[in-house]
Amino acid sequence: DAGITQSPRYKITETGRQVTLMCHQTWSHSYMFWYRQDLGHGLRLIYYSAAADITDKGEVPDGYVVSRSKTENFPLTLESATRSQTSVYFCASSAGGMAYEQYFGPGTRLTVT
Amino acid sequence: ILNVEQSPQSLHVQEGDSTNFTCSFPSSNFYALHWYRWETAKSPKALFVMTLNGDEKKKGRISATLNTKEGYSYLYIKGSQPEDSATYLCAPPGGGADGLTFGKGTHLIIQP
Repeated sequence: DAGITQSPRYKITETGRQVTLMCHQTWSHSYMFWYRQDLGHGLRLIYYSAAADITDKGEVPDGYVVSRSKTENFPLTLESATRSQTSVYFCASSAGGMAYEQYFGPGTRLTVT
Repeated sequence: ILNVEQSPQSLHVQEGDSTNFTCSFPSSNFYALHWYRWETAKSPKALFVMTLNGDEKKKGRISATLNTKEGYSYLYIKGSQPEDSATYLCAPPGGGADGLTFGKGTHLIIQP
């Protein structure tokens, strides 16, 4: 049972490049989330999805695009990477909304040079 | 954007001692309060999700209480062990969004 996985685990890219971070869960959870971890800010919500084809913005959505064509996948795309997007990105999933615990993936460490 | 405060920011505790720390959150429009444990080089793992005022939850030596009227929750660890060393995060759902608004955490270090 793989649970929730993220790929790649580490990525170095250049400013201006497009990069996609993948997230896959095997539980058929309806909700999926993307957070970024930054010093001084902790974990901040980028985007979330309540079901396939339903996505919504979180606290820091600028510069990111998401899609969810299948329940199990929730890719995050940086359209034109900037140095300020250097961070550790965590994907999470849950069986429901606010009162359901979230299960986090192992994270992707992204460096933008 | 919700204001979620955790205190203290860090805490050093002797092995065997008990400890507690606080999470403060807006009391208006309360839905739920999550606690997560985050060990170094790992990903956050859920401890509790609390929804009712006066709720008390327990998992082994760790317990939590909730006061939704005044907007705070306490996390207690009884008889601290080295494996309890981690950052403990609290998070209510964010204003309007189903995702969580995390506090900056309490970094707990258990000294043998």
